[in-house]
Amino acid sequence: DAGVTQSPTHLIKTRGQQVTLRCSPKSGHDTVSWYQQALGQGPQFIFQYYEEEERQRGNFPDRFSGHQFPNYSSELNVNALLLGDSALYLCASSLRIDRAASKDTQYFGPGTRLTVL
Amino acid sequence: RKEVEQDPGPFNVPEGATVAFNCTYSNSASQSFFWYRQDCRKEPKLLMSVYSSGNEDGRFTAQLNRASQYISLLIRDSKLSDSATYLCVVKENTNAGKSTFGDGTTLTVKP
Repeated sequence: DAGVTQSPTHLIKTRGQQVTLRCSPKSGHDTVSWYQQALGQGPQFIFQYYEEEERQRGNFPDRFSGHQFPNYSSELNVNALLLGDSALYLCASSLRIDRAASKDTQYFGPGTRLTVL
Repeated sequence: RKEVEQDPGPFNVPEGATVAFNCTYSNSASQSFFWYRQDCRKEPKLLMSVYSSGNEDGRFTAQLNRASQYISLLIRDSKLSDSATYLCVVKENTNAGKSTFGDGTTLTVKP
């Protein structure tokens, strides 16, 4: 049973460029959330996708956009990269309706480390 | 002010010590609460959920005080392998929506 996978593992870009990060959820999961984790900070929620639509969004500018495909995989796109976008980008998958409601069924992928020069 | 605040740390303790981490949250609509563990340059992993009645998992005990909007994690008999960053997490909705993370507290257990 494959867990959450992300690609690429590392990426180096220059300011102004665009980047696309990819995530495949854990088997059986239908919801994907994206987080940005800067060095020394906790993960910050970017947005969540369910049924191919963005369902909730954190405090991130429109330069951050995403997509979810029919197979539940997801992409995170960042346009016009800034130096401050350098971070670990984490994808987490979960099951929208989980009978064990008291338990967080959110599983994280290993992340993509983005460096903007 | 951050929505979830944790002890800044770092905590440096000897093996066998008992260590406690604290966390406060500002959103009174928060419904579910968790502690995650994150090893250096790895993804966060769920350590345990936190219930109002308090819950224990081996050497780990978590407590929640909804009135004070305060969460704690106690680690007894610390092991070298407990060295990690501990993240406090709150969610408004148990089945959907964002998880709000604190910035974490780093624990180093020394021989």
